[in-house]
Amino acid sequence: EIVLTQSPGTLSLSPGERATLSCRASQTITSNYLAWYQQKPGQAPRLLIYGASSRATDIPDRFSGSGSGTDFTLTISRLEPEDFAIYYCQQYGRSASMYTFGQGTKMEIK
Amino acid sequence: EVQLLDSGGDLVQPGGSLRLSCAASGFTFGNYAMNWVRQAPGKGLEWLAHIGGDGEPTNYADSVKGRFTFSRDNSKNMLYLQMNSLRAEDTAVYYCTKDAVSNNGIYDAFDVWGQGTVVTVSS
Repeated sequence: EIVLTQSPGTLSLSPGERATLSCRASQTITSNYLAWYQQKPGQAPRLLIYGASSRATDIPDRFSGSGSGTDFTLTISRLEPEDFAIYYCQQYGRSASMYTFGQGTKMEIK
Repeated sequence: EVQLLDSGGDLVQPGGSLRLSCAASGFTFGNYAMNWVRQAPGKGLEWLAHIGGDGEPTNYADSVKGRFTFSRDNSKNMLYLQMNSLRAEDTAVYYCTKDAVSNNGIYDAFDVWGQGTVVTVSS
């Protein structure tokens, strides 16, 4: 089973700053089957990025994903107030056993 | 509008049973695999179960295998999660989710989520 480790656990930044979130896999993720989700308090998660770098529908272009193999990054180019939330990475793929989530990175206002 | 509406959460005693439902609308339901994901209070996300567009295959996380049963009724655009032998550690918000792409042979990312339904297992 692949384990996803996200870092940092908490990221304290100010609006307008650039955010870089990391997701590291314990083994290679094939075909870049890596997604990123945003979750705000009391809400369901929302898909941001799939296939490591493709933005989901209606996701602003300040959100971008990159990486391959075992190291993946979510970048938010200029933080807006509504971006302060918890972010999860997720592996998916050719079997259900591949469905794993990272433990999350909480982005808070500095 | 593509929408999932979870329901059925409740307070139940340890060892009890509960059935969650999820009503889907706004897309060709039978073309998409679906899932249940849960989130314990203050914790992260845990995938629980997957079902193919036509009801097969079904897959379960080890934490619920043998206790939970995932089914769907494509004539009603409904999903069901039958939960038996409930434990305190099953206390969580339960979300139904939709696979992002239809019939691609991939256990895909989740592009639509229900609003969540709360299950509390306590005496």
